[in-house]
Amino acid sequence: AQRVTQPEKLLSVFKGAPVELKCNYSYSGSPELFWYVQYSRQRLQLLLRHISRESIKGFTADLNKGETSFHLKKPFAQEEDSAMYYCALSNAGGTSYGKLTFGQGTILTVHP
Amino acid sequence: KAGVTQTPRYLIKTRGQQVTLSCSPISGHRSVSWYQQTPGQGLQFLFEYFSETQRNKGNFPGRFSGRQFSNSRSEMNVSTLELGDSALYLCASSTQGFGNTIYFGEGSWLTVV
Repeated sequence: AQRVTQPEKLLSVFKGAPVELKCNYSYSGSPELFWYVQYSRQRLQLLLRHISRESIKGFTADLNKGETSFHLKKPFAQEEDSAMYYCALSNAGGTSYGKLTFGQGTILTVHP
Repeated sequence: KAGVTQTPRYLIKTRGQQVTLSCSPISGHRSVSWYQQTPGQGLQFLFEYFSETQRNKGNFPGRFSGRQFSNSRSEMNVSTLELGDSALYLCASSTQGFGNTIYFGEGSWLTVV
């Protein structure tokens, strides 16, 4: 069974401080990992995925297969980063194109 | 292009009733999936449809069902509503293939009283 764990339900930092949102997963196959973000009163939207290796809004995430982790990092947090962040996993090699397993989410609050 | 559209956005139902939620995917997207979001359980996968066929199903009772039409629009139905069915129901659509992006709708807020 696949599982995604986000150990921190709440994370508070000050503006300009580094931020790291943790995500660990368990999956026996070849996973595809995502970070989704939900800003206040907005729909869930994709932030980044591991295969693209992009930096979006200053965020990066590296897939560590040895530690089965996909932590989200940003060196200097901004107030507009305050949101709910979800780590998610899908079966990259299967036919489950629309099936995502989500973590419980982390509420990030960036204080001025 | 228009995003994933869900209707109705808000509804209140009584225990024992049934409800039907509708989802219009992004044009060209043939995969539609449904999720339930609650404060306690988070985001949980309900089912996924592709070309009118249910391809995957989550761990929900048979009261939860869905279907997809030839134009890729989808509906989900919950029968014999229970208080615990109160949740935000999210629809998502995507194209076929590895590396596809899954786009979410704003959701339908269901309250069961």
